[in-house]
Amino acid sequence: ETGVTQTPRHLVMGMTNKKSLKCEQHLGHNAMYWYKQSAKKPLELMFVYNFKEQTENNSVPSRFSPECPNSSHLFLHLHTLQPEDSALYLCASSQGEGGYTFGSGTRLTVV
Amino acid sequence: AQSVTQLGSHVSVSEGALVLLRCNYSSSVPPYLFWYVQYPNQGLQLLLKYTTGATLVKGINGFEAEFKKSETSFHLTKPSAHMSDAAEYFCAVSTPYSSASKIIFGSGTRLSIRP
Repeated sequence: ETGVTQTPRHLVMGMTNKKSLKCEQHLGHNAMYWYKQSAKKPLELMFVYNFKEQTENNSVPSRFSPECPNSSHLFLHLHTLQPEDSALYLCASSQGEGGYTFGSGTRLTVV
Repeated sequence: AQSVTQLGSHVSVSEGALVLLRCNYSSSVPPYLFWYVQYPNQGLQLLLKYTTGATLVKGINGFEAEFKKSETSFHLTKPSAHMSDAAEYFCAVSTPYSSASKIIFGSGTRLSIRP
């Protein structure tokens, strides 16, 4: 399989649940990203990982916890989320300045 | 600091008509510029990019964009719209020479195609 794969595609969770989003890239890229896309809002960069090290955290609430065990995998652990966290969560990877390759996203609904 | 402004959150054109989506950028260094397309319930797909060299860049699906430094613009065009072009389009800018090329996205333009 090639490209960037995100699982699950859809997730419904209660405010007290704990869940994780997974992202996997098979492109040999060294950088990986989490973005949040809400309706009527610009894409929000959440986290940046470069060679497994977190290089950016854009003031994301602690109920979102990223994990990057290696350059091919990226997780976003979720706990005690709020309804306003409902959004499309996009993972991307890159190598140099060639632009990002995005996954298809996880549509998250918090009830 | 870098920024991107997309003029018009929604553009509607007739099938077969010219598509023009406007993008202006701000950057303190020569930028890399991108256009992405997003279809419903999908991630973003790279349409085309400008890094260096020729200022007229051709992308997929018949789209092209021209980098105009004097106007700080990178407008996206397609001579003849097709129904399948209906989607959200994002202009983006990044800083060269960064180890993890952080890309700044515009707020997007939704393109509708009238039959």
